Amino acid sequence: QVQLQESGPGLVKPSETLSLTCTVSGGSMRSHYWSWIRQPPGKGLEWIGYIYYSGSTNYNPSLKSRVTISVDTSKNQFSLKLSSVTAADTAVYYCARVLVTMVRGVIEGPNWFDPWGQGTLVTVSS
Amino acid sequence: QTVVTQEPSFSVSPGGTVTLTCGLSSGSVSTSYYPSWYQQTPGQAPRTLIYSTNTRSSGVSDRFSGSILGNKAALTITGAQADDESNYYCVLYMGSGVWVFGGGTKLTVL
Repeated sequence: QVQLQESGPGLVKPSETLSLTCTVSGGSMRSHYWSWIRQPPGKGLEWIGYIYYSGSTNYNPSLKSRVTISVDTSKNQFSLKLSSVTAADTAVYYCARVLVTMVRGVIEGPNWFDPWGQGTLVTVSS
Repeated sequence: QTVVTQEPSFSVSPGGTVTLTCGLSSGSVSTSYYPSWYQQTPGQAPRTLIYSTNTRSSGVSDRFSGSILGNKAALTITGAQADDESNYYCVLYMGSGVWVFGGGTKLTVL
């Protein structure tokens, strides 16, 4: 069964770039969508963006200018970069597979996030 | 900016039934938003409960059910148990490859 594991620095300085990697095990990344989601301490979940195994991406409009998600299927990994971070970017970052239904190349139908990684806390502080 | 609304908190007695809702700041939630529901206990990753409005994820108890009630998506828990005490999040698919999470509902069983 597919499992996901986040990794990366737990502390990032303000104005720098946050970089995380999600390693997928127990299955192939092919034909699936993969997403990043975050949760500030004590707050709710926020969808950051997704990447298709082929490399196409889409991002939360509120973060779009600072987010880059990339994929390396040879390593079964996908990555998140968030630039110009501030304290507001302090959060637990989760990676998740997005199960979708496609109609004529468009996501149109049942879709949900499963499974999720355990999450990794990233603190933005000098 | 679309806001997905959930009750901040709810309480239910052991053995009781509770319905949590997921709405939109503007407009109605329909099955076309493919609402899904997740349960999260402190320090843990979210767990999928319901997807596509009313389909239970594998291994999820039939005490959990999803529906559309009026203009909102709903998660109903019957026969509430102590370990149902968690945070519950809904997420709606807005189309064009964009998802929006609700703010979550903290459920207390007492």
